[in-house]
Amino acid sequence: GDSVTQMEGPVTLSEEAFLTINCTYTATGYPSLFWYVQYPGEGLQLLLKATKADDKGSNKGFEATYRKETTSFHLEKGSVQVSDSAVYFCALIYTGTASKLTFGTGTRLQVTL
Amino acid sequence: DAGVIQSPRHEVTEMGQEVTLRCKPISGHNSLFWYRQTMMRGLELLIYFNNNVPIDDSGMPEDRFSAKMPNASFSTLKIQPSEPRDSAVYFCASSSRDRGTYEQYFGPGTRLTVT
Repeated sequence: GDSVTQMEGPVTLSEEAFLTINCTYTATGYPSLFWYVQYPGEGLQLLLKATKADDKGSNKGFEATYRKETTSFHLEKGSVQVSDSAVYFCALIYTGTASKLTFGTGTRLQVTL
Repeated sequence: DAGVIQSPRHEVTEMGQEVTLRCKPISGHNSLFWYRQTMMRGLELLIYFNNNVPIDDSGMPEDRFSAKMPNASFSTLKIQPSEPRDSAVYFCASSSRDRGTYEQYFGPGTRLTVT
């Protein structure tokens, strides 16, 4: 079945450091890919998305590129802030069939001054 | 846009009691999802509806759990009787299948504690 694998957390970085959170997926077709972010005490928010191979999703300084050849969708940010501390979830969905998102387990990011 | 609305935000109840969680999806969305989040099991999809019809309830843990969507603007998740292991944060999410990308919008969640 379909699955999403994320790097284990927590990831601890100093402010202004470069961030990479790895995400790889297993899918039989061509899903759309998402990154969601969950701040403490809140629900998940869509951060960015990509719907086909080589698409780059971007938002709030975060970027991720849909790599079909490596089945990856790594999240990056050039300079993190304390306010980026949250849990990040990678997810996939097949837009042509069911509406069910498949989530990774989440990666906690802690940014310190 | 008001976003997905969930109530109550916090619920504390005793084992054996009935618990009802409520959700109002974003107006115009035609898919609705119920998730449960715990430290041990992470984020789990319990059930989802398309056009008010349950499509997949394979994630509902036991017969003690039931969900309904009587109309496009309201859904409930009921636990009867509740048990301590049901303690979790329950999220409702909605999406529009007509927009192509099926991105889901989450509510703030209901934190349930069963003592």
